[in-house]
Amino acid sequence: QVQLHQWGAGLLKPSETLSLTCALSGGSFGAYYWTWIRQPPGKGLEFIGEINHSGSINYNPSVKSRVTISADTSTNQFSLRLSSVTAADTAVYYCARKYGGYFFDYWGQGTLVTVSS
Amino acid sequence: EFVLTQSPATLSLSAGERATLSCRASQSVSSSLAWYQQKPGQPPRLLIYGASNRATGIPARFSGGGSGTDFTLTISTLEPEDFAVYYCQHLSNWYTFGQGTKLEIK
Repeated sequence: QVQLHQWGAGLLKPSETLSLTCALSGGSFGAYYWTWIRQPPGKGLEFIGEINHSGSINYNPSVKSRVTISADTSTNQFSLRLSSVTAADTAVYYCARKYGGYFFDYWGQGTLVTVSS
Repeated sequence: EFVLTQSPATLSLSAGERATLSCRASQSVSSSLAWYQQKPGQPPRLLIYGASNRATGIPARFSGGGSGTDFTLTISTLEPEDFAVYYCQHLSNWYTFGQGTKLEIK
């Protein structure tokens, strides 16, 4: 059974860097894209970016200048870094597996990241 | 800009009733549309992909239909655990999600 477990700092000050990691268990890292999606409190879902096992990466232009996604296939983990955060980056961040080219079938439990001075 | 518009924003029904949720795309997406259910404090749960294919473990009371620009998610007989927020989603414009329909207990 595929499971995604994520962790990272939940409280940041403006201008700091958000850092989250997601670990895959029960499945293979290869042949899929591994993604980060966020959801501001009470709002909808926004795709941030994705990475596959060979290091191919795609970022949403809305955050492209600030985001870095990386992966360690030896440990089946992938990570998100978002620099220069502001209050607008306050959200629950999810890791997820992309399947079939466009939908997300397995999700992490979510991490609430709050940006506040 | 590609947009998915869900209606209604809120749907108030009772357990045992039938629920029909709509999702309209601003341009044709063929059948490449997914539906998710989200409960408070939980991640979204994939229900439907390819417009009408139930994901693994999803009960048969959930069904999806439509193609092109107009899609529906139908819950044939509502169970208490079905009251949640539902989102549709497509690949375009960086995996756009609709704004959601809240299915609440009447």
